[in-house]
Amino acid sequence: AQSVTQLGSHVSVSEGALVLLRCNYSSSVPPYLFWYVQYPNQGLQLLLKYTTGATLVKGINGFEAEFKKSETSFHLTKPSAHMSDAAEYFCAVSEGGSNYKLTFGKGTLLTVNP
Amino acid sequence: EAGVAQSPRYKIIEKRQSVAFWCNPISGHATLYWYQQILGQGPKLLIQFQNNGVVDDSQLPKDRFSAERLKGVDSTLKIQPAKLEDSAVYLCASSLVGLGGDEQFFGPGTRLTVL
Repeated sequence: AQSVTQLGSHVSVSEGALVLLRCNYSSSVPPYLFWYVQYPNQGLQLLLKYTTGATLVKGINGFEAEFKKSETSFHLTKPSAHMSDAAEYFCAVSEGGSNYKLTFGKGTLLTVNP
Repeated sequence: EAGVAQSPRYKIIEKRQSVAFWCNPISGHATLYWYQQILGQGPKLLIQFQNNGVVDDSQLPKDRFSAERLKGVDSTLKIQPAKLEDSAVYLCASSLVGLGGDEQFFGPGTRLTVL
């Protein structure tokens, strides 16, 4: 069975600082991996995804993530935080196939301080 | 392109009452999902439709929850009777095909409070 662990339910950074949100997954087959962002009172929006190929994936708003199979990790980074990045971030995994099911982590709330 | 639409946005009911949520997916999307997001947790899949057939409802509490997707387009999720622990945000999502790696597009959700 697939599962996702997000380390740190709350991360606080200063504006302009590096953002690092951690995600580790468990999957019995090569996974598809996703990062979604959720702003208050809104649905989830896809930031980036890994399916196959290059392990460093670039997404919207300057975010990127690297798939490390040996570490079963898919950490999300952004070199310089902006106030508008404040939101909740969810890592998700899918084992793919014809029964496409996303399993989400519990989320990490990112706070950006001026 | 219009996104996933959901209504109502907010609903407050008392326990043992019934409630229904509506979802209109993105036009042309074959796959529709209902998720339950309890405060402080990630979304949990309740049911997945492929066109108007159910693909996965393994986490749907079938004694009180039901869902249908008539004509493979709109969908309704119903709870009857509601319990306090059903208080959550109910998210609807859709995807083009429903295969691994396919992006899911989410609606704004319906926030349910059960008193």
